[in-house]
Amino acid sequence: QITLKESGPTLVKPTQTLTLTCTFSGFSLSTSGVGVGWIRQPPGKALEWLALIYWDDDKRYSPSLKSRLTITKDTPKNQVVLTVTNMDPVDTATYYCAHTSYGDYYFDYWGQGTLVTVSS
Amino acid sequence: QSVLTQPPSVSGAPGQRVTISCTGSSSNIGAGYVVHWYQQLPGTAPKLLIYDNNNRPSGVPDRFSGSKSATSASLAITGLQAEDEADYYCQSYDSSLSDWVFGGGTKLTVL
Repeated sequence: QITLKESGPTLVKPTQTLTLTCTFSGFSLSTSGVGVGWIRQPPGKALEWLALIYWDDDKRYSPSLKSRLTITKDTPKNQVVLTVTNMDPVDTATYYCAHTSYGDYYFDYWGQGTLVTVSS
Repeated sequence: QSVLTQPPSVSGAPGQRVTISCTGSSSNIGAGYVVHWYQQLPGTAPKLLIYDNNNRPSGVPDRFSGSKSATSASLAITGLQAEDEADYYCQSYDSSLSDWVFGGGTKLTVL
């Protein structure tokens, strides 16, 4: 059974760096083909893909946000970490992590999401 | 402005059939990249509904089906039920953006 759960601060100030952790079970990032992605959703708005990391440490980033994003993995801990620098109120959103597989281009298991509000 | 265009809303009565369109371009759907669909019930995380244009994950009723042609795709829901009321998103890959792209979402209302 695959599960994922996001954790991190619920409130950050403008210009601060956001660090989110995705802790998962039911699969391992040491397994060939496995990947974990991050997707966000501002309140009342559409989904937006942010970043993705594969088992072999191949990393992909949304071109529009690439300069502000860093994704890393801690395989023994079954965790993936996303950092977003220079947070702005427009970054207020629910942030989801999700499981994918190399070459599939879809996300088949999602975490429950965590709402991050950017406000001074 | 989303790369994939969906109607903001659709509606139908219980038992009816509704379709939701997803229009892309030559760098995503038209380039041959597959389309996936997600269902997001109110207050919950998205759930994979259709993958690779027309495949249903285990547990998804066969009332849901997907199709693709040229630069667009469609999600069809037959035998509409009250529990189908949700937001639906299409998703693909865009080669010019090197981006996993989502549609703007469609809110389905069951009358």
